[in-house]
Amino acid sequence: DAGVTQSPTHLIKTRGQQVTLRCSPKSGHDTVSWYQQALGQGPQFIFQYYEEEERQRGNFPDRFSGHQFPNYSSELNVNALLLGDSALYLCASSLVGAGTDTQYFGPGTRLTVL
Amino acid sequence: AQSVTQLGSHVSVSEGALVLLRCNYSSSVPPYLFWYVQYPNQGLQLLLKYTSAATLVKGINGFEAEFKKSETSFHLTKPSAHMSDAAEYFCAVSDSQGGSEKLVFGKGTKLTVNP
Repeated sequence: DAGVTQSPTHLIKTRGQQVTLRCSPKSGHDTVSWYQQALGQGPQFIFQYYEEEERQRGNFPDRFSGHQFPNYSSELNVNALLLGDSALYLCASSLVGAGTDTQYFGPGTRLTVL
Repeated sequence: AQSVTQLGSHVSVSEGALVLLRCNYSSSVPPYLFWYVQYPNQGLQLLLKYTSAATLVKGINGFEAEFKKSETSFHLTKPSAHMSDAAEYFCAVSDSQGGSEKLVFGKGTKLTVNP
């Protein structure tokens, strides 16, 4: 049973550039959430996608956008990168209606903005 | 809005000693609570979850947590620490406001196990 996978593992960008991160959910899951984890901090919710729609959004600017595909995989896009966007980006998947919507996390993508 | 507070950003124990990591929650509704572990340079792994079925929850790797409503606490314990338990631990509460169940995390507690 494949777990949550993310690509790439690491990424280095410069300020002002744009980046796309990818996530494939755990088999059987239909919901994808994205979190940003800055160094030394707990993860912070960016947004969640279900049925190809953004279901809820955290306190992040519009530079952060996402997409969910019919196969439930998802992308996170960040435009006009800032130094402060350097973080570990975590994808989590879950199954709507499974009771507690327990979220299972991928290994993350480490983004460094120079 | 729901929130959690983890007391102690660093905890150090000797191998074989009791592990106690503290978490207090704030919630206007009966909460769903979680403990996740993060090993260096890895994602988060679910240790255990509380969903109101039982107040004492057993998880993986010998960890357990007890939900105490009167104290608004959900502390994580393990009777005997192993070197392999060294990691960062995050307490989280599920916030269903807004139509989805996003997780709200504490700032984490880094556990060091000394030989």
